[in-house]
Amino acid sequence: GAGVSQSPSNKVTEKGKDVELRCDPISGHTALYWYRQRLGQGLEFLIYFQGNSAPDKSGLPSDRFSAERTGESVSTLTIQRTQQEDSAVYLCASSSPGTNLKETQYFGPGTRLLVL
Amino acid sequence: AQKITQTQPGMFVQEKEAVTLDCTYDTSDPSYGLFWYKQPSSGEMIFLIYQGSYDQQNATEGRYSLNFQKARKSANLVISASQLGDSAMYFCAMREVNAGGTSYGKLTFGQGTILTVHP
Repeated sequence: GAGVSQSPSNKVTEKGKDVELRCDPISGHTALYWYRQRLGQGLEFLIYFQGNSAPDKSGLPSDRFSAERTGESVSTLTIQRTQQEDSAVYLCASSSPGTNLKETQYFGPGTRLLVL
Repeated sequence: AQKITQTQPGMFVQEKEAVTLDCTYDTSDPSYGLFWYKQPSSGEMIFLIYQGSYDQQNATEGRYSLNFQKARKSANLVISASQLGDSAMYFCAMREVNAGGTSYGKLTFGQGTILTVHP
């Protein structure tokens, strides 16, 4: 079946502009996660959705970052007034049910964001 | 303090040899899960192996095994019979149980180790 998909695959924007990144999780996966990976670094957790609600937003770096999920499916990560330090790969993952210690998170290919 | 520490920025191994990638972790939870992911140059994250804190035996998945030493808080990945296709970045990650007693699923990652396999 289809895996996690993300769009766009690459995004170049100017400092100060807003960007929207999209994630389509694996069908039926109730849990969805956003991570950020700066060049040569590990993944940093941003936000976790269980269904359409976000019980853990602790990783969002500032109020310029927000995310929503609708229909227990697609999620959008929005970065307002982008800064150069926002340049990174943004990875989305999904799993089910989202509460099992052992469950595997399946990652999408990521969106590579470059802020000029 | 770092939750996950991978002290080897880069490792080299000869094809067909075994290699160990180090990972130490820090948690006060009695229940937690440890994961290893592989990230080739293409950027995708590939799940390799899982070890639960209460598992009695070390996890194994094909050529991958996990040397789990709970008292030392280490979870080293051992790759046997290395292949050229094993060249990639490897991440150790941990999932902890939240205050409510159920896992929220968030993974905390280390900084990664770049493995290069030489022919």
